[in-house]
Amino acid sequence: GQSLEQPSEVTAVEGAIVQINCTYQTSGFYGLSWYQQHDGGAPTFLSYNALDGLEETGRFSSFLSRSDSYGYLLLQELQMKDSASYFCAVKDGSGGYQKVTFGTGTKLQVIP
Amino acid sequence: NAGVTQTPKFQVLKTGQSMTLQCAQDMNHNSMYWYRQDPGMGLRLIYYSASEGTTDKGEVPNGYNVSRLNKREFSLRLESAAPSQTSVYFCASKGRGNTGELFFGEGSRLTVL
Repeated sequence: GQSLEQPSEVTAVEGAIVQINCTYQTSGFYGLSWYQQHDGGAPTFLSYNALDGLEETGRFSSFLSRSDSYGYLLLQELQMKDSASYFCAVKDGSGGYQKVTFGTGTKLQVIP
Repeated sequence: NAGVTQTPKFQVLKTGQSMTLQCAQDMNHNSMYWYRQDPGMGLRLIYYSASEGTTDKGEVPNGYNVSRLNKREFSLRLESAAPSQTSVYFCASKGRGNTGELFFGEGSRLTVL
């Protein structure tokens, strides 16, 4: 089966940088995604890593190390609106390539 | 462009009642998914469909059935609802390609009394 581990909560100061880690175990790994979800809303896609290394999208960056089964989401220049839950998700090959499994999420609180 | 549309948005059921959650996407995506999310928890995969005509079980399929009616529509049925199925249900879809991006509906909030 698949399992993903993330910290349950993180608190950071507005304007600072925060890193949210994700470790995973899966039988057939194809990629790691990150999603943001505000309270009461639907998850929205942030980034995707299929290969090792860093992907940058504006203030958000995501990193993947397939050999370590590890990735992280880096949020820079934190804003109050970044307060939300962040989920990592793996796309794996068992059961037909398109299966996507989510972690339990990290609740980020940005404080002034 | 509607994206992924779920109905109903809210529903209250009594234990033992049945209901179907409807999901439709207008992005010509091949893969569709049903997740449930309980308070303070992540999204748990119930069923998914990699393409029209195929469905597969996810992490928590017990008590649910699905139908991939056509490429656009993927429904989730609760045959005999239980209080443990009180949750927010999200439908999602994904197209071909290697971006890994899922597009989610707004969610269906189900309460089973």
